[in-house]
Amino acid sequence: DAGVTQSPTHLIKTRGQHVTLRCSPISGHKSVSWYQQVLGQGPQFIFQYYEKEERGRGNFPDRFSARQFPNYSSELNVNALLLGDSALYLCASSSLLGGQETQYFGPGTRLLVL
Amino acid sequence: AQSVTQLGSHVSVSEGALVLLRCNYSSSVPPYLFWYVQYPNQGLQLLLKYTSAATLVKGINGFEAEFKKSETSFHLTKPSAHMSDAAEYFCAVSGNTNAGKSTFGDGTTLTVKP
Repeated sequence: DAGVTQSPTHLIKTRGQHVTLRCSPISGHKSVSWYQQVLGQGPQFIFQYYEKEERGRGNFPDRFSARQFPNYSSELNVNALLLGDSALYLCASSSLLGGQETQYFGPGTRLLVL
Repeated sequence: AQSVTQLGSHVSVSEGALVLLRCNYSSSVPPYLFWYVQYPNQGLQLLLKYTSAATLVKGINGFEAEFKKSETSFHLTKPSAHMSDAAEYFCAVSGNTNAGKSTFGDGTTLTVKP
């Protein structure tokens, strides 16, 4: 079975632009979470979606948005990019069937904002 | 609310020596705790998790961790380091079984000397 996949792997944007990152969860997983990992820090929770509905949001500005599609894949959108948005963006999926959930991470999308 | 503190951003050990990576947590509810490993240019891989069952948790690759409520700690150990253990390690906490909203520490880089 394929693991969590993310696209693109790398991306370079300039300040003020918009970016869309994509994630496909493990087959059968209905929950997708997004994390931002700035160099030298641990991942920070951005969003969680389950069955196409937002289940949680971290402390990020409204420039960050996400959605989940009927096939459970997900997009993370960031508007009006800032230099500080440069980071590795990680997607993780889990089954959320209840009890002792495990999340599985994709390889990430490395975003550089110039 | 939850938080994680990883003591020591860099740890260096000799091959065959004991590995000890420290993690202290804060949680307003009974915590669920996780250790992940991240190799360069890869996503995070779950090593082990504590979900209120046994306080001594065994994980993959010979790692284990002990949950100590009185010390609010969840330190990761391995009796004998291998060169392939060199990576970055993250401790994370969740307030419930939904691992998809985890709070991560800033990580500890483990170096293994020959």
